[in-house]
Amino acid sequence: SQELEQSPQSLIVQEGKNLTINCTSSKTLYGLYWYKQKYGEGLIFLMMLQKGGEEKSHEKITAKLDEKKQQSSLHITASQPSHAGIYLCGAGRSTGNQFYFGTGTSLTVIP
Amino acid sequence: EAQVTQNPRYLITVTGKKLTVTCSQNMNHEYMSWYRQDPGLGLRQIYYSMNVEVTDKGDVPEGYKVSRKEKRNFPLILESPSPNQTSLYFCASSLKGFYGQYGYTFGSGTRLTVV
Repeated sequence: SQELEQSPQSLIVQEGKNLTINCTSSKTLYGLYWYKQKYGEGLIFLMMLQKGGEEKSHEKITAKLDEKKQQSSLHITASQPSHAGIYLCGAGRSTGNQFYFGTGTSLTVIP
Repeated sequence: EAQVTQNPRYLITVTGKKLTVTCSQNMNHEYMSWYRQDPGLGLRQIYYSMNVEVTDKGDVPEGYKVSRKEKRNFPLILESPSPNQTSLYFCASSLKGFYGQYGYTFGSGTRLTVV
């Protein structure tokens, strides 16, 4: 089973609509990272959340980490075609130095 | 420009023919890592390195080797490639490990096909 579950797997929205992507862990997270990937390209770091209840925003993207540090959400306000891509959450394991990713959410924004 | 450079971008090879995918970063990052990305399986960590001469296995290390002789370079070696290693490979680096504010910088990817 995946350590980080993302939902939904894919999302198609009309330009201008808001949307939310979720990332859930069965274990307490010690840092939750959000990345965006354009199809077939490398990932781009969006933001990192560390504290329970923390919220960060960058342009029209807001990410939150719940108080228990087991779930994070990524919210896009007034989506644009430039937001299209695959969004992945990632985290480090509590022991060792491995870093792992969720399976990703594919976002399509229709003009 | 700060970047992670992978080469080649595309590679088609035959089963059993040794190959190396190079990765170089110019940011003086300590942490470097290799991932493979497959449909339905997402990104899986192959190997990572905390610093020069320090490497460790990720989740899917079988069939791969790495070395970290210099801080900037972290090549991925496939001694005897097999078709199940056909995948999209990414190299990534980070200033430190994962208990700080630093995210990864990713390379552009290497699409490997083994026939």
